[in-house]
Amino acid sequence: QKEVEQNSGPLSVPEGAIASLNCTYSDRGSQSFFWYRQYSGKSPELIMSIYSNGDKEDGRFTAQLNKASQYVSLLIRDSQPSDSATYLCAVMGGTASKLTFGTGTRLQVTL
Amino acid sequence: ETGVTQTPRHLVMGMTNKKSLKCEQHLGHNAMYWYKQSAKKPLELMFVYNFKEQTENNSVPSRFSPECPNSSHLFLHLHTLQPEDSALYLCASSLDLNTGELFFGEGSRLTVL
Repeated sequence: QKEVEQNSGPLSVPEGAIASLNCTYSDRGSQSFFWYRQYSGKSPELIMSIYSNGDKEDGRFTAQLNKASQYVSLLIRDSQPSDSATYLCAVMGGTASKLTFGTGTRLQVTL
Repeated sequence: ETGVTQTPRHLVMGMTNKKSLKCEQHLGHNAMYWYKQSAKKPLELMFVYNFKEQTENNSVPSRFSPECPNSSHLFLHLHTLQPEDSALYLCASSLDLNTGELFFGEGSRLTVL
């Protein structure tokens, strides 16, 4: 079982729609959760971090965490073509203190 | 501009060459990392340094040799690499080891012929 699992996509959404990106993790003791955005040919960039159950909003981005279900998601409202990128979920804490990344979900926002 | 600078951005080397990747961070961070990114695979942590002391070597082959002379600089020395080592090598830094908020450099794209 993968430690951090994401659907590789591509996830295609029309401009203006809500994009929903999902991530599950296997270590129940995980404490910190992150979303990184990686444009093609570029390096990952941190866009959201979440540490407690519930929702955390930052502009058009909302991170949602459910530790009981071992599930973290990223919602992007009013999706723009500039949001087209690969989104990496990363998890930290629990039995492994290091940061563990998923393989990423590629998002395509179409005009 | 993330405050983490990597050079060179692209590198082509033969299997018998020796080369080095360089990373410098201007963020005042205490932890620095080397990651390997290959297609269809998650980011692989290679080495971790905290206050210039190595804290983790993630079973990396000895043909990769890290060096951290101070908290701002990190090197990855490469020798007798294999074609399967071709990948994007990313340097990152963080305030300390207790955070997953990493700042990445632009990466060094390595091709081994």
